[in-house]
Amino acid sequence: QSALTQPASVSGSPGQSITISCTGTSSDVGTYNLVSWYQQHPGKAPKLMIFEVGKRPSGVSNRFSGSKSGNTASLTISGLQAEDEADYYCCSFAGSSTFVLFGGGTKLTVL
Amino acid sequence: QVQLVESGGGVVQPGRSLRLSCAASGFIFSNYGIHWVRQAPGKGLEWVAGVSYDGSDKYYADSVKGRFTISRDNSKNTLYLQMNSLSAEDTAVFYCAKDSGRYCTSTSCSRSWDFDYWGQGTLVTVSS
Repeated sequence: QSALTQPASVSGSPGQSITISCTGTSSDVGTYNLVSWYQQHPGKAPKLMIFEVGKRPSGVSNRFSGSKSGNTASLTISGLQAEDEADYYCCSFAGSSTFVLFGGGTKLTVL
Repeated sequence: QVQLVESGGGVVQPGRSLRLSCAASGFIFSNYGIHWVRQAPGKGLEWVAGVSYDGSDKYYADSVKGRFTISRDNSKNTLYLQMNSLSAEDTAVFYCAKDSGRYCTSTSCSRSWDFDYWGQGTLVTVSS
């Protein structure tokens, strides 16, 4: 099964909001509410930002939010800050054959 | 605090084998599923394999099925990945990642299929 589809890059100015999309299929994103999002700074391990579509782990800023409609999940970052500049990956459970799919990643640039 | 420390990476020739280890601390290792995720240089994340809390269930990506074997030793709080028949396409940083396991009984936690703690990674380079 193919990776989930994300835009290669997005950008925004400090204080603005951006949304990163993550498109899957009815076999993964569309069926399971097990979509998660990860932030990765260069040379660092990924960090869990959103789980189960729209829930935030303790300690993650409420500027980060997640949602899903059909086969597409979205990550929205409001009030952009310079420290948000990173790569972002979506991830979905994909059933008992494929198990886990990641998106190709989106590079967020804060202008 | 939760710590995951990978080891065992290095340079290996195509067709050879390598075993990675991940030493866990700071949580009840035997209660949680745990996974390997890799990242080729300059590329995105790819889930590789996962194992249930007690080692009875194992899951693999198609790209490694039949070549890689995941296992765990709960007495040593350690996760392993035995990698055979390595090729250049396996060159990557390999991370171990703890399953969040949000819904728990007294002895085990469900598989949540998201990853709340990650190690720092170990680099595997397959090259002649």
